[in-house]
Amino acid sequence: RKEVEQDPGPFNVPEGATVAFNCTYSNSASQSFFWYRQDCRKEPKLLMSVYSSGNEDGRFTAQLNRASQYISLLIRDSKLSDSATYLCAVNIRPMRFGAGTRLTVKP
Amino acid sequence: EAQVTQNPRYLITVTGKKLTVTCSQNMNHEYMSWYRQDPGLGLRQIYYSMNVEVTDKGDVPEGYKVSRKEKRNFPLILESPSPNQTSLYFCASSLRAGMNSPLHFGNGTRLTVT
Repeated sequence: RKEVEQDPGPFNVPEGATVAFNCTYSNSASQSFFWYRQDCRKEPKLLMSVYSSGNEDGRFTAQLNRASQYISLLIRDSKLSDSATYLCAVNIRPMRFGAGTRLTVKP
Repeated sequence: EAQVTQNPRYLITVTGKKLTVTCSQNMNHEYMSWYRQDPGLGLRQIYYSMNVEVTDKGDVPEGYKVSRKEKRNFPLILESPSPNQTSLYFCASSLRAGMNSPLHFGNGTRLTVT
């Protein structure tokens, strides 16, 4: 079993839709979690950290469920510019990444 | 501007010809790391460094070497490149190796070994 798993997608959604991604991790000792965004052939960029109580940044909401060992990312009111691959990361020394979920937002 | 800088961006070489990919960060980060990214396999860690003169193997270290003589630099060395090392490489750094430090990535080096 992979240490960090994501649904690879692709997710194809219309502009304005709400879309959610999940990411499961296997190591219950994991302490910190992140979501990254990666555009085609470019470097991953930190989107947001994921805190135990859940956190929000504009249209983006991240949540952590320790009992079920998953993190989630919710994107509301999707924009064309949200089209990218979203990587979850779990810091269990070293930081481990999921393979990414590809999102395409269409007009 | 705070950044991680990798060079070169693109590199095409032949089997067996030693090469070095440089990585430098200007954020005084303690922790630096190299990843390779391949389709379907995601990001896999090659080597990492907790601080100057401290390096350790990641998940896929075979065929690679690193050094950390200065805090800001963390070069990746391929002594004898082979075609299976064709990949997209990222250098990354974080303030420390601690749990709550996110990684900051360089803009990548696309390596082709023929």
